[in-house]
Amino acid sequence: EIVLTQSPATLSLSPGERATLSCRASQSVSSYLAWYQQKPGQAPRLLIYDASNRATDIPARFSGSGSGTDFTLTISSLEPEDFAVYYCQQRSSWLTFGGGTKVEIK
Amino acid sequence: EVQLVESGGGLVQPGGSLKLSCAASGFSFSGSDMHWVRQASGKGLEWVGRIRSKANSYATVYAASVQGRFTISRDDSKNTAYLQMNSLKTEDTAVYYCTRLGWLQYFDLWGRGTLVTVSS
Repeated sequence: EIVLTQSPATLSLSPGERATLSCRASQSVSSYLAWYQQKPGQAPRLLIYDASNRATDIPARFSGSGSGTDFTLTISSLEPEDFAVYYCQQRSSWLTFGGGTKVEIK
Repeated sequence: EVQLVESGGGLVQPGGSLKLSCAASGFSFSGSDMHWVRQASGKGLEWVGRIRSKANSYATVYAASVQGRFTISRDDSKNTAYLQMNSLKTEDTAVYYCTRLGWLQYFDLWGRGTLVTVSS
């Protein structure tokens, strides 16, 4: 099973700041990696697919990069609605999720 | 409206059974692979299993943690997927989400989830 490790567990930032989230895979997943956003009491929402492609209606401030084992989700300037938990997920070998990174208001 | 709506959650004793439903609308359900993902309170997401479309022989596969206890099925005439859960354990307590694997091969549509609590 491919294990995805996300860091940091919690990121404390202010609105307008840049957020950088990391996801590391235990073995290569090529570019078969997605990022999801989940707000309290809501289902996850697909943000990024295949490492760097924004899903439909996702604002341009969200961007993804990486390949192989190291991936990054960047939020260029945090809006109030961006404070949430973010998960990475790979589909290279079956399906696994990372443990999540909580982006909280500082 | 394109949506998934789960139902059937509730309180069940350890060793008991429960069947969840996922009603789909607004898209071609019969052509879609459907998955179940769960989330224990305050925890991350855990993939449970999936059922493929008729074109792929309704093939199912499950996470090791539920293999042999959970069964996923579907009724395309009712646009509904099911998760039959048997021999439930306290560690199965979670919100269970139904989700669609979209053409991008990622989860592009999710239900709001249904809570399953396994407790005596």
